[in-house]
Amino acid sequence: RKEVEQDPGPFNVPEGATVAFNCTYSNSASQSFFWYRQDCRKEPKLLMSVYSSGNEDGRFTAQLNRASQYISLLIRDSKLSDSATYLCVAYNNNDMRFGAGTRLTVKP
Amino acid sequence: DAGVIQSPRHEVTEMGQEVTLRCKPISGHNSLFWYRQTMMRGLELLIYFNNNVPIDDSGMPEDRFSAKMPNASFSTLKIQPSEPRDSAVYFCASSRESNQPQHFGDGTRLSIL
Repeated sequence: RKEVEQDPGPFNVPEGATVAFNCTYSNSASQSFFWYRQDCRKEPKLLMSVYSSGNEDGRFTAQLNRASQYISLLIRDSKLSDSATYLCVAYNNNDMRFGAGTRLTVKP
Repeated sequence: DAGVIQSPRHEVTEMGQEVTLRCKPISGHNSLFWYRQTMMRGLELLIYFNNNVPIDDSGMPEDRFSAKMPNASFSTLKIQPSEPRDSAVYFCASSRESNQPQHFGDGTRLSIL
């Protein structure tokens, strides 16, 4: 079983839709969590950190559920420019684990 | 501010040749990571350094791979001898501390023929 698992998708949604991704992690001792975005043939870029209390950045909301060991990313009012692969990351004690990513395509 | 700088951007070479990938982390970042990304396996951590010291190299595929960080501003990943299955995009990333968000370089797209 992978340490960090994501639904690979693809998620195909129309502009303006709300879309949510979940990511599960197996190491209950994981301490820090992040969402990264990766565009085709580009490097991963930090989208947002995930805090225990949940956090929001514009149209993006990240949540952490330690009891069930998953993190989520919600994108509201999706834009064409949101099309990318979204990677979740769990960190524990010098061990940073990336999920394989969820591909999102936003269509006009 | 300059980000993580990797070179070369692209490398095409024949199997059996030595390949050296280079990385300059962001100044002031104490942790440096080397990753490999392929369609089949996704993003895999190969090795990471903290304060120039290798902390975890369990992701290094085999003895043909080696990495060094002689100082805080430079690291290399070497493959010798290279094989076609090493073809991938290799990313270097750095962070202030190991538990902080990582900043990635543009990557080196490696093709071994």
